[in-house]
Amino acid sequence: QSVLTQPPSASGTPGQRVTISCSGSSSNIGSNYVNWYQQLPGMAPKLLIYSNNQRPSGVPDRFSGSKSGTSASLAISGLQSEDEADYYCAAWNATLTGTWVFGGGTKLTVL
Amino acid sequence: QLQLQESGPGLVKPSETLSLICTVSGGSISSSSYYWGWIRQPPGKGLDWIASIFYSGNTDYNPSLKSRATISVDTSKNQFSLKLSSVTAADTAVYYCAGYGDNGLDYWGQGTLVTVSS
Repeated sequence: QSVLTQPPSASGTPGQRVTISCSGSSSNIGSNYVNWYQQLPGMAPKLLIYSNNQRPSGVPDRFSGSKSGTSASLAISGLQSEDEADYYCAAWNATLTGTWVFGGGTKLTVL
Repeated sequence: QLQLQESGPGLVKPSETLSLICTVSGGSISSSSYYWGWIRQPPGKGLDWIASIFYSGNTDYNPSLKSRATISVDTSKNQFSLKLSSVTAADTAVYYCAGYGDNGLDYWGQGTLVTVSS
């Protein structure tokens, strides 16, 4: 079981807005930045959102991130077929030994 | 922009030691602007962080793997490595190396599949 909790699946139709949640605790999301990754089939994860709500160069502004307390969300607006992928949240975990912790991943299906 | 490439055997026997190398280009592995890490993904499953190493030489390990994992840096080759001892079938996974910048951005290698089997 993953330290961060994500729904296993999400879906939407083209053009729709979809949100994916990520729940953690005070030792990870509650006190550190959250990253979001997109993983296309057979590919390495790609950084989609960093520092809660920042987009790396080249990531469309259809993707946005937010954080509140010990939870974070990824929103995808204007859903496109190429957005069908697995999405993972991650946060630094401030325990005795700092570690990155991940969510279990959410498979997004574009109907 | 950083580029990372994993290399190592694709097949390791049970009880042996898995050894992987990550070659970094586009930046210095001894730069204080980055730290380095390994993440793995078992087939069909999610991501698991394994270990990180900082320019100071400090290391961090996933507590579940700490007794078996060793991360180290070779500054002369601009590489860092992972050794995982006493492997079992549960260690079969795609292994990714990553570089984390002090600006919050991170960069991942393409990943390498390591299968543990006799």
